[in-house]
Amino acid sequence: GAGVSQSPSNKVTEKGKDVELRCDPISGHTALYWYRQSLGQGLEFLIYFQGNSAPDKSGLPSDRFSAERTGGSVSTLTIQRTQQEDSAVYLCASSPSVADNEQFFGPGTRLTVL
Amino acid sequence: SQQGEEDPQALSIQEGENATMNCSYKTSINNLQWYRQNSGRGLVHLILIRSNEREKHSGRLRVTLDTSKKSSSLLITASRAADTASYFCATDGSSNTGKLIFGQGTTLQVKP
Repeated sequence: GAGVSQSPSNKVTEKGKDVELRCDPISGHTALYWYRQSLGQGLEFLIYFQGNSAPDKSGLPSDRFSAERTGGSVSTLTIQRTQQEDSAVYLCASSPSVADNEQFFGPGTRLTVL
Repeated sequence: SQQGEEDPQALSIQEGENATMNCSYKTSINNLQWYRQNSGRGLVHLILIRSNEREKHSGRLRVTLDTSKKSSSLLITASRAADTASYFCATDGSSNTGKLIFGQGTTLQVKP
């Protein structure tokens, strides 16, 4: 069956521009997570959506980062006024429910800010 | 901040040998998971062990958990070249959100 998909797979942008990253979770999965992975590092939690509850935004590094999840499915992560330190792979994951905990990851979007 | 610290950071072995990776964490947990990542992209879930379990097996994988020492180990037996990847432990930090806190990972190279 279809897994988690992300688009674009690669994005190169200039410093100061805004970018939008998209995540399509597995159908029926109520939990959706965004993580960031810098080169050679582990994953850093950014934001979490569960059903219709208010998202957990505790991992967002600055107010330039925001995310939304429309209709409980597709999610968009927006980075405004990008900086070079935003360069990383942005990974999305979904889970059938919080209780299951096993997360299914997408292939990621590699963002490069010049 | 990262919850888990993994040891070693890099491991190189010959095909057929066993590979052991260790993970330590700081807070109490409900469960601990191990993930595998190829080529710096998407992660694949390998195994989940709950805080009340001490050992779990899945194929050639064996995971142990010692909550008193806040540590876990992943053993891959009879390694294959295809096992070459980065391996990460992740904990839920005893939250009920499913939010995972990842370690820095161990890069495993299996030489044919």
